[in-house]
Amino acid sequence: GNSVTQMEGPVTLSEEAFLTINCTYTATGYPSLFWYVQYPGEGLQLLLKATKADDKGSNKGFEATYRKETTSFHLEKGSVQVSDSAVYFCALKSNYQLIWGAGTKLIIKP
Amino acid sequence: GAVVSQHPSRVICKSGTSVKIECRSLDFQATTMFWYRQFPKKSLMLMATSNEGSKATYEQGVEKDKFLINHASLTLSTLTVTSAHPEDSSFYICSAPSARGYTFGSGTRLTVV
Repeated sequence: GNSVTQMEGPVTLSEEAFLTINCTYTATGYPSLFWYVQYPGEGLQLLLKATKADDKGSNKGFEATYRKETTSFHLEKGSVQVSDSAVYFCALKSNYQLIWGAGTKLIIKP
Repeated sequence: GAVVSQHPSRVICKSGTSVKIECRSLDFQATTMFWYRQFPKKSLMLMATSNEGSKATYEQGVEKDKFLINHASLTLSTLTVTSAHPEDSSFYICSAPSARGYTFGSGTRLTVV
């Protein structure tokens, strides 16, 4: 069946460090891929998405590229800020359902 | 726009009691609401899909008599955990399709003691 695997957290970085959160998926067909973010005390928000192979989603300095050959959708940011501290979820859309990764907590220290 | 308000954010209840979780779409009509559950260090798992004016569709393995879902209006869907037990302790999140894609509530942390 469809599944999403993302790196286990927490991930702790210093401000201005480079961020990578790995996400790989298993799916039939060609799903759409998403990254969602949940800031403390808030609901999940769509961060970025990609709908087909080689698409790059980007938002707020974050990027992720849909890699069909490696079935991956890794999240990257060149220089993180304290305000990026949150939980990040990778997900794929299969039919009407979102299939989720377990979430990765990101902690950025000043 | 497209906000889903979920309450309560945290609730502690005694074993055997029932707890109701509400999700309201504040500025759009939610004809469909997805209810998820998340166990520690696990993925969000879809429990059920509710549609306004009709019975909810439950995923395999989810007890419909235990997790009662009501979607009585276009702006309100509720999940009631009946006769709660400690193993029902979890994080519950609702989500509705909106013009922005999927809009999520902020989640409810349920602890059954």
